[in-house]
Amino acid sequence: DGGITQSPKYLFRKEGQNVTLSCEQNLNHDAMYWYRQDPGQGLRLIYYSQIVNDFQKGDIAEGYSVSREKKESFPLTVTSAQKNPTAFYLCASMEQGAAKNIQYFGAGTRLSVL
Amino acid sequence: QKEVEQDPGPLSVPEGAIVSLNCTYSNSAFQYFMWYRQYSRKGPELLMYTYSSGNKEDGRFTAQVDKSSKYISLFIRDSQPSDSATYLCAMIQGAQKLVFGQGTRLTINP
Repeated sequence: DGGITQSPKYLFRKEGQNVTLSCEQNLNHDAMYWYRQDPGQGLRLIYYSQIVNDFQKGDIAEGYSVSREKKESFPLTVTSAQKNPTAFYLCASMEQGAAKNIQYFGAGTRLSVL
Repeated sequence: QKEVEQDPGPLSVPEGAIVSLNCTYSNSAFQYFMWYRQYSRKGPELLMYTYSSGNKEDGRFTAQVDKSSKYISLFIRDSQPSDSATYLCAMIQGAQKLVFGQGTRLTINP
């Protein structure tokens, strides 16, 4: 079954703690993305990676870090520097081709602060 | 001014009604236009995809793109309670970042 798997589904963070959200895809897509979604708001881009071992900051990268060591995996770390981490986090990968640029999403991880 | 503007609603209509959802945008370089449907606490799923101007129909759904007016629409015919969700418009220039609208929360009442 091809798709994007995010884990865990729910995550709780204590004050001062770093937490890592997992994102794995078996679609063989080069580009991967992390978004944050707050209630009643659209998706805001945190980080994206267009190729292994390379990534770029999105619009709200402060307090987050990523790595892209494998094509299939793009984990996101929410650091203690992110003062308002409670949100729904979505990972996506992009199918690219002639007249085609489509992003597919995982089911999301809901992060809350204890 | 945001690059993509979408009325957040909420929008509530009776079952069987025709629904019209809209987005306006400011970047004339956008080439690819998408509509995503997002059920509560789930990831967005791609509903419609169009390249450049024109109409595209898929069952009860029709997507329209008017590049001259920088305006895109999604029409839902014979709306069903299962269509109740948040609908997000999105657009992209080449292989650049996807830009999303705020999302419109839609409820179809039986």
